[in-house]
Amino acid sequence: DAGITQSPRHKVTETGTPVTLRCHQTENHRYMYWYRQDPGHGLRLIHYSYGVKDTDKGEVSDGYSVSRSKTEDFLLTLESATSSQTSVYFCAISESSLGQFYEQYFGPGTRLTVT
Amino acid sequence: GNSVTQMEGPVTLSEEAFLTINCTYTATGYPSLFWYVQYPGEGLQLLLKATKADDKGSNKGFEATYRKETTSFHLEKGSVQVSDSAVYFCALRDNTGGFKTIFGAGTRLFVKA
Repeated sequence: DAGITQSPRHKVTETGTPVTLRCHQTENHRYMYWYRQDPGHGLRLIHYSYGVKDTDKGEVSDGYSVSRSKTEDFLLTLESATSSQTSVYFCAISESSLGQFYEQYFGPGTRLTVT
Repeated sequence: GNSVTQMEGPVTLSEEAFLTINCTYTATGYPSLFWYVQYPGEGLQLLLKATKADDKGSNKGFEATYRKETTSFHLEKGSVQVSDSAVYFCALRDNTGGFKTIFGAGTRLFVKA
């Protein structure tokens, strides 16, 4: 199994509070991703990173920010949590070589409830 | 833009039944195709993949063939087990320079003993 951990695994927070989720990898992969999973929507990309300090928005980035100061860590921050951000959040990693991009590996997920 | 459409679930089968989960895609260029599986309470795991037309991916008794003429990548298994109960996601990655993966909505499979 790819070495990907997420913390916390479960969190309950109140509307309006800031929340930071952490993804940590031991694979030295270049690309890291944050997704949210909601019933009926599959996985939707929030933000991704293609290197240290290199990040970009996905399809559902409003209300979220990310940071990547080290290869192994990718942080997702909800600046002011809302109930619509109640979801399961997954981190993923992938690598490339000589222009060939390889499959993604996923972390175990963080279940976030905003009350 | 790129997209993946897979059959809605849930799919309920008896043990040892034949499984087909349909997946079709729209993509520019020549995508790689994937099936991921998610067991309850876990993240997604890669089940199988195919990187070019007519390739067949296989793993744990599951198979899928990359059909460019029908833009399909249907997942099949000849005899399902209770332990196959999970959510299955079809996905594609456009290899014309992108490293992002597009996922289908997922199909939940229930297998009864």
